[in-house]
Amino acid sequence: DGGITQSPKYLFRKEGQNVTLSCEQNLNHDAMYWYRQDPGQGLRLIYYSQIVNDFQKGDIAEGYSVSREKKESFPLTVTSAQKNPTAFYLCASSRDGNQPQHFGDGTRLSIL
Amino acid sequence: AQSVTQPDIHITVSEGASLELRCNYSYGATPYLFWYVQSPGQGLQLLLKYFSGDTLVQGIKGFEAEFKRSQSSFNLRKPSVHWSDAAEYFCAVGAQKDTGRRALTFGSGTRLQVQP
Repeated sequence: DGGITQSPKYLFRKEGQNVTLSCEQNLNHDAMYWYRQDPGQGLRLIYYSQIVNDFQKGDIAEGYSVSREKKESFPLTVTSAQKNPTAFYLCASSRDGNQPQHFGDGTRLSIL
Repeated sequence: AQSVTQPDIHITVSEGASLELRCNYSYGATPYLFWYVQSPGQGLQLLLKYFSGDTLVQGIKGFEAEFKRSQSSFNLRKPSVHWSDAAEYFCAVGAQKDTGRRALTFGSGTRLQVQP
């Protein structure tokens, strides 16, 4: 079955450490997205990519980085510069920016 | 810039009662509109979408939504709520070409609680 796989489901970060969240899709979608979800704040866009080797900052990109070397993969790195990284992170993909997005099951990141 | 407002943070309804979740958007042209549902600890699932044409849109799980341009609204409805409908619901508006933003904008969500 086609879908989006996020791993790991739970992740813990130590102070000063960078961590990378994985997102893989086999839907052959061109566009991929990363969102951060905090209670009561809905989904906030971190980064998105419309095509391989290209990506754009979203609304809250500071302290995060991404790469898009392959169509099916869009990893997100939470750097030590992100001072409040505890949140639920969701990855999504779509054919383009106006088409429905398909979501993974999320990664919950916490601070040790 | 485009924006989406869901005025109700939390709604409680009795099982079998009707439901309406409100969504208002700010967008210059005819928007692409979506409703998603999220169960705790899970990703989002698409309920329905509006691109053009008939303003009453049918979705999965017995949900429907009506696009009203004059009110800039896209409210979600269900005639009879089931206990399994308890979840968080998000309204979203599609990409806005004139700003170059090629991603959906989501509202802050409405949490639905269903009483037996």
